Amino acid sequence: DTGVSQDPRHKITKRGQNVTFRCDPISEHNRLYWYRQTLGQGPEFLTYFQNEAQLEKSRLLSDRFSAERPKGSFSTLEIQRTEQGDSAMYLCASSPAGPDTQYFGPGTRLTVL
Amino acid sequence: RKEVEQDPGPFNVPEGATVAFNCTYSNSASQSFFWYRQDCRKEPKLLMSVYSSGNEDGRFTAQLNRASQYISLLIRDSKLSDSATYLCAVERSGYALNFGKGTSLLVTP
Repeated sequence: DTGVSQDPRHKITKRGQNVTFRCDPISEHNRLYWYRQTLGQGPEFLTYFQNEAQLEKSRLLSDRFSAERPKGSFSTLEIQRTEQGDSAMYLCASSPAGPDTQYFGPGTRLTVL
Repeated sequence: RKEVEQDPGPFNVPEGATVAFNCTYSNSASQSFFWYRQDCRKEPKLLMSVYSSGNEDGRFTAQLNRASQYISLLIRDSKLSDSATYLCAVERSGYALNFGKGTSLLVTP
């Protein structure tokens, strides 16, 4: 399968714990995006990378959130000191350069107890 | 005003019906527009891009009206398998997307 992959698919954690998610984009896609989706809402933009450079962060991305893409391939999204409001589906997408189709991964569903 | 707004739905239609979804966007500088389909608890999947001239893919037709900042999706001859949530997506800066809340479609026998 050469699509976008995400790991883990599900994560249950206790409030206050740190969590890290991984996204592996489609190879040769140099743009990588993170979105968050809660029930009944569309995906909300969090941040995006072009190669290893993080070019934009949404105001939704508080100081507790950090994302990296160290070698311009896979990316990680870390949430520190999780809160119940962080419970959501975290979606990763990738695309080639330019205004092109974004392909989404299956998402990581986070539940904060 | 939200960046992207869609008909709230849900739309319940019988098989074979024609159904239309509407979407408005606020950023007049946006250049790329898409319709995604999302099944329950799955990731969004691209249904079609939307071009100024309008485009058609089988039973699906998408239209863009830049002057009114309005996008539409028409589904003809609805199938049971068309039941899903349809998300309108509009380019924001850096080619990331702003999505609407989605419109739920249920096609019944």
